[in-house]
Amino acid sequence: KNEVEQSPQNLTAQEGEFITINCSYSVGISALHWLQQHPGGGIVSLFMLSSGKKKHGRLIATINIQEKHSSLHITASHPRDSAVYICAVANFGNEKLTFGTGTRLTIIP
Amino acid sequence: DAGVIQSPRHEVTEMGQEVTLRCKPISGHNSLFWYRQTMMRGLELLIYFNNNVPIDDSGMPEDRFSAKMPNASFSTLKIQPSEPRDSAVYFCASRSSGNTIYFGEGSWLTVV
Repeated sequence: KNEVEQSPQNLTAQEGEFITINCSYSVGISALHWLQQHPGGGIVSLFMLSSGKKKHGRLIATINIQEKHSSLHITASHPRDSAVYICAVANFGNEKLTFGTGTRLTIIP
Repeated sequence: DAGVIQSPRHEVTEMGQEVTLRCKPISGHNSLFWYRQTMMRGLELLIYFNNNVPIDDSGMPEDRFSAKMPNASFSTLKIQPSEPRDSAVYFCASRSSGNTIYFGEGSWLTVV
């Protein structure tokens, strides 16, 4: 069973700050997903990656397969980025996702 | 595409009543997932279907829970009889193999 750990659990920052959320897992994976959930809202997939780096707007996701580690970065953070960010991994040959416990991000204006 | 569509969005029911949650996946997606989210346990996979066939239902809590996918465009999750501990947000999600997963808005269930 893949163990997925996220850090930090909670993060409060000022608007404009550079944000980093980390995810580590214990067993090799086929893909890693970063998800975003706003309070009382649905879940949106931000990235799916299996190697290297992806960028979408102010969001950047990286993964290091050898170290079994991924990071989600937010540049020029904004209050609307306040949400829970969840890391999820997919094992080889399996459609199931194993989820981290999430990072609650609050951006203060 | 309208995305993954779930209904109802909110349901409040009395203990012992039957609850049926519905999901319409994105057209062309061959995998469908039912997840439950609670404060205590986070997101948990209940069951997933591939090409309408249940592949893994090991996350289904007990016999009170059942799920069906009669065709590629519809799935149900049924709880009978419901109990207060079933109160949670139930998410349906779909994807095509190896691609991004898409979640519905969730069904917020309260059992009193």
